[in-house]
Amino acid sequence: DAGVIQSPRHEVTEMGQEVTLRCKPISGHNSLFWYRQTMMRGLELLIYFNNNVPIDDSGMPEDRFSAKMPNASFSTLKIQPSEPRDSAVYFCASSQHSSGANVLTFGAGSRLTVL
Amino acid sequence: GQNIDQPTEMTATEGAIVQINCTYQTSGFNGLFWYQQHAGEAPTFLSYNVLDGLEEKGRFSSFLSRSKGYSYLLLKELQMKDSASYLCAVSADSGGYQKVTFGTGTKLQVIP
Repeated sequence: DAGVIQSPRHEVTEMGQEVTLRCKPISGHNSLFWYRQTMMRGLELLIYFNNNVPIDDSGMPEDRFSAKMPNASFSTLKIQPSEPRDSAVYFCASSQHSSGANVLTFGAGSRLTVL
Repeated sequence: GQNIDQPTEMTATEGAIVQINCTYQTSGFNGLFWYQQHAGEAPTFLSYNVLDGLEEKGRFSSFLSRSKGYSYLLLKELQMKDSASYLCAVSADSGGYQKVTFGTGTKLQVIP
């Protein structure tokens, strides 16, 4: 398996532009998580899906952020309009949710810089 | 909500033993994870504890006390490659699903 695949790996954009980050989870995993990582705040959970359904989006900073999972193999995180304070590394992770340990496998991350 | 605390930074000597502590407060607790994250890379899974006690896996061991809301990660025979951030993460029941929340991580520097 190729693991969790994220794109783009790096994105530099200007304030006000729309940013779309993409994620392909591991085949067979039924849970998908979006995290944001900064030096100051560490890894923050933004939203997670189970069987393509958003379960908890309480971590989404504000209405400028939105996430979708149209099918089991694809998810997007969109920021519109982007602001400099959105600069961070965005990680997508997937897991096979069951009664046991919910071990997350992370993608390589998308490093976003908003100028 | 959840509150997870761990030291920001630690330094240890190659070949030595280091213990990284983590305390947490949460409702609906159903497991604690440790992840390793090298600079510029993604976190990778190290260990999982759901019952009290010590779990040993090679040079790494993890301990959990649910009554105290306390865990530690023990690294033995430190190697230079162990220099990384170590993230404590708590899994809690959230409406029938498992929500995983991370601490801010402990940056470990191994020196010769």
